[in-house]
Amino acid sequence: QSVLTQPPSASGSPGQRVTISCSGSSSNIGSHYVFWYQQLPGTAPKLLIYRNDQRPSGVPDRFSGSKSGTSASLAITGLRSEDEADYYCAAWDDSLRAHVVFGGGTKLTVL
Amino acid sequence: QVQLQESGPGLVKPTETLSLTCTVSGGSVSSGSHYWSWIRQPPGKGLEWIGYIHYDGTTNSSPSLKSRVTISVDTSKNQFSLKVSSVTAADTAVYYCARESTVVGFDPWGQGTLVTVSS
Repeated sequence: QSVLTQPPSASGSPGQRVTISCSGSSSNIGSHYVFWYQQLPGTAPKLLIYRNDQRPSGVPDRFSGSKSGTSASLAITGLRSEDEADYYCAAWDDSLRAHVVFGGGTKLTVL
Repeated sequence: QVQLQESGPGLVKPTETLSLTCTVSGGSVSSGSHYWSWIRQPPGKGLEWIGYIHYDGTTNSSPSLKSRVTISVDTSKNQFSLKVSSVTAADTAVYYCARESTVVGFDPWGQGTLVTVSS
């Protein structure tokens, strides 16, 4: 059972917009930045969004992040086949659970 | 650009100690603004933070693993290491090392190494 809650799956057709939610609590998302990681099949996770809504260089602006209260969202517009991957949210946590907590991951399927 | 590479045995027997090393290239583990982390992913499951070390020796690890985890750093070799004692099948996972900063989180990651606990 992950501390941050994500839907296990999401899907969309090429060109569409998809959003992935991430729900937490006051000890993590409510108090700290949210990070998003993309894990393509068979590869290591890669930083996708940092500090809620910032994109590292090289990440297309089709990817955007937002945060409100104890929830966050990742939006992908102009969906492409190469976006098919697992997406994880993460945040620091003030409780005794762990320094960083992750969501359970959302598998995005491009139809 | 900074690159990380995990190394260590791919098979460990139950009750023994899992030992992995992460070699950092293109950057220094002595960077004061970074923490050096271990994260694992059981087959088909999500990510779990294990712990981190700072070059000054400060460490922190997940409460669920704290009693079994040791993280160390060797600045002369530009490496940091993970030991997990008394392993069971539940410790079977792909183990990743990653650089962490308060600005960008975990970036970059190593490619990961699968460790299987089995007799």
